[in-house]
Amino acid sequence: NIVMTQSPKSMSMSVGERVTLSCKASENVGTYVSWYQQKPEQSPKLLIYGASNRYTGVPDRFTGSGSATDFTLTISSVQAEDLADYHCGQSYSYRALTFGAGTKLELK
Amino acid sequence: QVQLKQSGPSLVQPSQSLSITCTVSGFSLTSYGVHWVRQSPGKGLEWLGVIWRGGSTDYNAAFMSRLSITKDNSKSQVFFKMNSLQADDTAIYYCAKDDGNYVGFAYWGQGTLVTVSA
Repeated sequence: NIVMTQSPKSMSMSVGERVTLSCKASENVGTYVSWYQQKPEQSPKLLIYGASNRYTGVPDRFTGSGSATDFTLTISSVQAEDLADYHCGQSYSYRALTFGAGTKLELK
Repeated sequence: QVQLKQSGPSLVQPSQSLSITCTVSGFSLTSYGVHWVRQSPGKGLEWLGVIWRGGSTDYNAAFMSRLSITKDNSKSQVFFKMNSLQADDTAIYYCAKDDGNYVGFAYWGQGTLVTVSA
């Protein structure tokens, strides 16, 4: 199975800061990577698909980039409502989907 | 609009089976597949399996021996069944609509918190 490794596990930030989250694949997955935001007691919400495509209604402060094995999610100016867990997932191997362990964004 | 509503138990005895129903609206199961994903406490997302629009299935190899996904197109329902549950199967179980491998999961059920305990 393709292993997705997210870093850091958690990070503390202040409102207005620029944040970059990393997701690395154990093998080439092209651009078949999605990013999800999950707040407590809620189902995950799709932010980015195809590595860099913002899903409908997602604020433009969220940007996805990368290809092959290295991917990033950048929040240009973090807002209080962005405090959540962020998950990346690969769909290159579509009969064996895998996700990273997640990154927790906390308020400093 | 697209909705996925889950129903199932919150408590399962060790060694027993878990059954969850995902009832969909806003789309047809003859046109779209449905995936199942779980999230153990404090952990990441884990893909369990999928039933495709034609009725075929694919499962995570780690669960293949004890997992079954079926559906009733006429009732817009997908049925998830996992056997021989143990404490480490305690998790939130989600169903999610398949929109193709490039798009990811835009629509999720509300999740079913399942605790495995005597």
